[in-house]
Amino acid sequence: DAMVIQNPRYQVTQFGKPVTLSCSQTLNHNVMYWYQQKSSQAPKLLFHYYDKDFNNEADTPDNFQSRRPNTSFCFLDIRSPGLGDAAMYLCATSGTGGGTDTQYFGPGTRLTVL
Amino acid sequence: GQNIDQPTEMTATEGAIVQINCTYQTSGFNGLFWYQQHAGEAPTFLSYNVLDGLEEKGRFSSFLSRSKGYSYLLLKELQMKDSASYLCAVVDSNYQLIWGAGTKLIIKP
Repeated sequence: DAMVIQNPRYQVTQFGKPVTLSCSQTLNHNVMYWYQQKSSQAPKLLFHYYDKDFNNEADTPDNFQSRRPNTSFCFLDIRSPGLGDAAMYLCATSGTGGGTDTQYFGPGTRLTVL
Repeated sequence: GQNIDQPTEMTATEGAIVQINCTYQTSGFNGLFWYQQHAGEAPTFLSYNVLDGLEEKGRFSSFLSRSKGYSYLLLKELQMKDSASYLCAVVDSNYQLIWGAGTKLIIKP
């Protein structure tokens, strides 16, 4: 089945210790998104790639970086995690990147910062 | 600013009908999505409305009124598995997706 995969599902890191979350997709979609979602809050878009074009949201902290080495994979790097970065991180894909295009989500990675 | 309003939490009984409302104030409108999100899981697509009216899809229906900036999701014949959060998201004039915080639906036997 075509899908969006995120690894790991649960990640524990220490305050200030860099961490990388990964996402892969078998949908062959052009667009990949990274969201941060805290409990009972709306998903917050961090950035997205349209193919190789990187689009950073204006209020995404510099502490968050992303890489997309190829169509299938995308990584979220948190350079120095703080306690406030503990959240669910969701990866999503869409075919065309138009806002009216349905986004398909991976199962998420829940990040704990100690 | 852009704003999506949904009730924080609702409770309903198994077998009953529930309506979850969403009102929005956005810069332009290019469609409205409803997603379902079970606790600790990713959102999954339920519906997309761009024209006024009711769209029915099995036990779930979604309604849109663009003039009122209003949508609702109607769930019929509620099942315990429908316990989840339901997120409303609007596509604005820049084709950006603006998300609501979601409505947590609790189903009781």
